[in-house]
Amino acid sequence: GAGVSQSPSNKVTEKGKDVELRCDPISGHTALYWYRQSLGQGLEFLIYFQGNSAPDKSGLPSDRFSAERTGGSVSTLTIQRTQQEDSAVYLCASSPNNPALYGYTFGSGTRLTVV
Amino acid sequence: AQSVTQLDSQVPVFEEAPVELRCNYSSSVSVYLFWYVQYPNQGLQLLLKYLSGSTLVKGINGFEAEFNKSQTSFHLRKPSVHISDTAEYFCAVSDRGADKLIFGTGTRLQVFP
Repeated sequence: GAGVSQSPSNKVTEKGKDVELRCDPISGHTALYWYRQSLGQGLEFLIYFQGNSAPDKSGLPSDRFSAERTGGSVSTLTIQRTQQEDSAVYLCASSPNNPALYGYTFGSGTRLTVV
Repeated sequence: AQSVTQLDSQVPVFEEAPVELRCNYSSSVSVYLFWYVQYPNQGLQLLLKYLSGSTLVKGINGFEAEFNKSQTSFHLRKPSVHISDTAEYFCAVSDRGADKLIFGTGTRLQVFP
C-alpha cells in the first residue's frame, strides 16, 4: 500500500484479556518497528524486525508482549493478560534496508485502552 | 548508549513569532539526526534529516535545523509560525550503522492567535 496501515485504530479491552494489534508496512520495506507512546513518555522502542526475524526485542516490557512478522510483510503485536499500564498508543513504522539512514514511515497508531 | 534530550516539554508562542525547539544528543560519534512532527491523532511525519554535508538542513513547512557537532545539538527553528504548526515535535538520532532511531520525549508546540 501507499503507507503504513495499522488496525484497529482504537481498541478498548477489559483488564486480563488478550489483544492483537496489526501492522501492514509499505510494500518492499524490509525493516519494521513497534514503538509505544504514553502520555509524557515519548516513544518507547519495543521490537525491530528485519524481514521475518527480530534481531532486537530488547524493548518488550514483559513476557506478556510478543510479536511476529510473516512473509516479510504484516506484523502482529500481541499483549496477553492486559493490564491498565498497557494503555498507550502503539505505533508501527517501516523503513527500507538501512533504516538509520532513511528514517521511518509511521502508521497512525492503535490507541489501546485497558479498563 | 545513545540518548536524546528535549528539555522543553511545552513551548507556547504567538502566531508569526519565531520559535526554536531544542534537541541535544549524548554521543559525539558519527550520527544521523531527524525531526518528526505529530499532528493530533496522527502518526509521526518526517520534517527533516541530517545525514552529512551542510550543517543547516531545510525541511518541510518552512522548518530548518542546524547540526552543531561540538555542542551535540540539532535545534529546530522556524522564523514565523502558524496556527497549523501546533503539534508535537520529536527529535531522533541514530548512530551510523545502528538499526534503530532513538527518540526524545517530544516538545509540544502550541501556537496562539
